[in-house]
Amino acid sequence: DADVTQTPRNRITKTGKRIMLECSQTKGHDRMYWYRQDPGLGLRLIYYSFDVKDINKGEISDGYSVSRQAQAKFSLSLESAIPNQTALYFCATSDPGTMSTDTQYFGPGTRLTVL
Amino acid sequence: TQLLEQSPQFLSIQEGENLTVYCNSSSVFSSLQWYRQEPGEGPVLLVTVVTGGEVKKLKRLTFQFGDARKDSSLHITAAQPGDTGLYLCAGDPNFGNEKLTFGTGTRLTIIP
Repeated sequence: DADVTQTPRNRITKTGKRIMLECSQTKGHDRMYWYRQDPGLGLRLIYYSFDVKDINKGEISDGYSVSRQAQAKFSLSLESAIPNQTALYFCATSDPGTMSTDTQYFGPGTRLTVL
Repeated sequence: TQLLEQSPQFLSIQEGENLTVYCNSSSVFSSLQWYRQEPGEGPVLLVTVVTGGEVKKLKRLTFQFGDARKDSSLHITAAQPGDTGLYLCAGDPNFGNEKLTFGTGTRLTIIP
């Protein structure tokens, strides 16, 4: 089974709708992240959480919110979706542990289309 | 804000050719990682380099961390279609204590 799972994998919605993307992990990592990827481009960080009580904005947090329900779960919400939020969304986890480097483990992605 | 610029942004070459991808910053990083993302999947870690000047080899891929720990390169020898994907570098600013900074990405296509 995959260590980092995302649901749904694909979603088509309409402008103005509220939508939630969910991420679950079985790696036991404290750190979780949400990224957005637009076609042909790299990753942009939306929000990140270093533990259950910690939530931080990334570089493109406007129009998004998150909830860290448990160590294993990190949800991303679009309160009122707009077409320019059409993108591929990735969840990731990490745990630097004793190695002093912070490898990230990514989920398979959610393809979101806002009409 | 630390930035990591990758070049080229897009690269399309014939099978068997060699290529180099660059990752550059004005900031110093404690370590630097390279990830590869294949279509329909999330990025997967290829390598981490932690010492200035370090060179690591992964089969036909050679990774180098700059002496000043501000830049890195990825060289692929005799490229194969299986090397096709999006290559992302990521810099760690502080030994795992802060979030990674991802590069802008290089989309590589190897033509059979």
